[in-house]
Amino acid sequence: NAGVTQTPKFQVLKTGQSMTLQCAQDMNHNSMYWYRQDPGMGLRLIYYSASEGTTDKGEVPNGYNVSRLNKREFSLRLESAAPSQTSVYFCASRDRGDTEAFFGQGTRLTVV
Amino acid sequence: AQRVTQPEKLLSVFKGAPVELKCNYSYSGSPELFWYVQYSRQRLQLLLRHISRESIKGFTADLNKGETSFHLKKPFAQEEDSAMYYCALRSFQKLVFGTGTRLLVSP
Repeated sequence: NAGVTQTPKFQVLKTGQSMTLQCAQDMNHNSMYWYRQDPGMGLRLIYYSASEGTTDKGEVPNGYNVSRLNKREFSLRLESAAPSQTSVYFCASRDRGDTEAFFGQGTRLTVV
Repeated sequence: AQRVTQPEKLLSVFKGAPVELKCNYSYSGSPELFWYVQYSRQRLQLLLRHISRESIKGFTADLNKGETSFHLKKPFAQEEDSAMYYCALRSFQKLVFGTGTRLLVSP
């Protein structure tokens, strides 16, 4: 089973460029999440989608947009990348209730 | 708003020593709490959840609503326990994490 798959694994962007991080899950989960992981800051929630067709802001949504394309896919878009967005990004999914969240392998993004 | 606090960024112990990783939370409702672990070069994965009251890899965690804490404990640390540990809280479908504690277990 693939679980949660993120693409790309690594990316270098110039300030002002745009890009979309892709995430797909094959577990038929309802909820999907995007986090960023920074040293000393832990995992901070950017956006989440409780179900297909809905998205909500997390703790640090500024500078990002998301699309829940269908039940499987949840993409994160940086419209105009800034050096402050240099981070490792994780996508996760989970089913309803008190269930485990499954994580992707992460995307390491550097904005120069 | 819900918040998870892990006061220690780094916890360094010797093999065989007891370990306690602290987690405090603020939440107005009835919390659903978890511990996740990230080993080197591996994905973040669930270690345990409070509702199941289970022991995984010798780790336990008890929810203390009076102290709003969910500390992770292990009586005898092993070198393979070295990892990054995150406490997490679920509110409806929102899942928030603390800042994490890096556990280093030395031989």
